[in-house]
Amino acid sequence: DADVTQTPRNRITKTGKRIMLECSQTKGHDRMYWYRQDPGLGLRLIYYSFDVKDINKGEISDGYSVSRQAQAKFSLSLESAIPNQTALYFCATSDLLDTQYFGPGTRLTVL
Amino acid sequence: AQSVTQPDIHITVSEGASLELRCNYSYGATPYLFWYVQSPGQGLQLLLKYFSGDTLVQGIKGFEAEFKRSQSSFNLRKPSVHWSDAAEYFCAVGDLGDYKLSFGAGTTVTVRA
Repeated sequence: DADVTQTPRNRITKTGKRIMLECSQTKGHDRMYWYRQDPGLGLRLIYYSFDVKDINKGEISDGYSVSRQAQAKFSLSLESAIPNQTALYFCATSDLLDTQYFGPGTRLTVL
Repeated sequence: AQSVTQPDIHITVSEGASLELRCNYSYGATPYLFWYVQSPGQGLQLLLKYFSGDTLVQGIKGFEAEFKRSQSSFNLRKPSVHWSDAAEYFCAVGDLGDYKLSFGAGTTVTVRA
């Protein structure tokens, strides 16, 4: 089984809808991250969490929120989706040496 | 703040030829450096990383990278490319205290027969 899983893998939604992307990990890492990937821009950090009680904004957090339900679970929400949030979203965990391990990604399309 | 530049957006290479992908970073202290590969429809897989010590780092799938502090570079190389190496490659820089990575924009590699 994969160490970092993301659900759903693909999602199409409409403008204004609330949507949640979920991430689970079995690596036992405390640190978890949410990124979005856009063509030509690489990966940009949305939110990160060092433990259940520690959540931090990344460089592009506007329009997003997160919830760390447990050490193994980190969810990303779009409260009111807009078309420019169409992107590929990745969850990652990291070990004490900053090596990050990525999930397979969620492709989100906002119409 | 750290940053990463990958000057080449797209590289085309013949199967069996050598490959070099460039990465330049901006960071005040000794960086932690990473190369990741993303195959079509897949997540990112770690190829190799540099933390300290030997500046020539060996990774998976026959890749290696060399850290050159004087040039602020961490270029990725492979002596002989296989068709399965067609993918997008990302360089990233981080620091231990920050626990975050900054990624370059990526280089797409196309392998022709």
